[in-house]
Amino acid sequence: RKEVEQDPGPFNVPEGATVAFNCTYSNSASQSFFWYRQDCRKEPKLLMSVYSSGNEDGRFTAQLNRASQYISLLIRDSKLSDSATYLCVVMGPYGQNFVFGPGTRLSVLP
Amino acid sequence: DTAVSQTPKYLVTQMGNDKSIKCEQNLGHDTMYWYKQDSKKFLKIMFSYNNKELIINETVPNRFSPKSPDKAHLNLHINSLELGDSAVYFCASSSGGSLGDQPQHFGDGTRLSIL
Repeated sequence: RKEVEQDPGPFNVPEGATVAFNCTYSNSASQSFFWYRQDCRKEPKLLMSVYSSGNEDGRFTAQLNRASQYISLLIRDSKLSDSATYLCVVMGPYGQNFVFGPGTRLSVLP
Repeated sequence: DTAVSQTPKYLVTQMGNDKSIKCEQNLGHDTMYWYKQDSKKFLKIMFSYNNKELIINETVPNRFSPKSPDKAHLNLHINSLELGDSAVYFCASSSGGSLGDQPQHFGDGTRLSIL
């Protein structure tokens, strides 16, 4: 089993749609979780950290389920500018074993 | 006022050459990283330095040698370049912290093409 797995994608959705990405991780000792987005030919940029209680930032909601070792990202009212690859990132304790998932590509269509 | 800057942005060179990529961060972070993103877009960590000390060294050929002269700089030297080294190399930094729970900030990437 790979350390971090994500929905294979790509996801093609119309503007205004709600889309959810899933991510699972294999190391139960993992401590920190993030979602990054990467635009074509650009560097990854932090979208949001993922907290145990779940957290929301505008149209974006992240959830963490430690028991199932599962992270999700929900995007509501998707915009054309949301088109990118979304990367799930899992970090082990003390900054060790910082692992990126393979990413899920999202295309929001007009 | 770029936070994490890498040079060069593009590097085209022949097989067998030796090249270096430089990285500097002005965020005051303690930890710096090198990642490789290959043609399949998979981003994989290569090295991590904390306060100039190597803390992560993934399975990378020893042709790759990182050097950290101070905590704001982490350079990557590559000897005897091979075709398979063609990729985008990203430098990143984070504030680390005792729990290592801080996100990373990335440079723009260096696109290395081996002829």
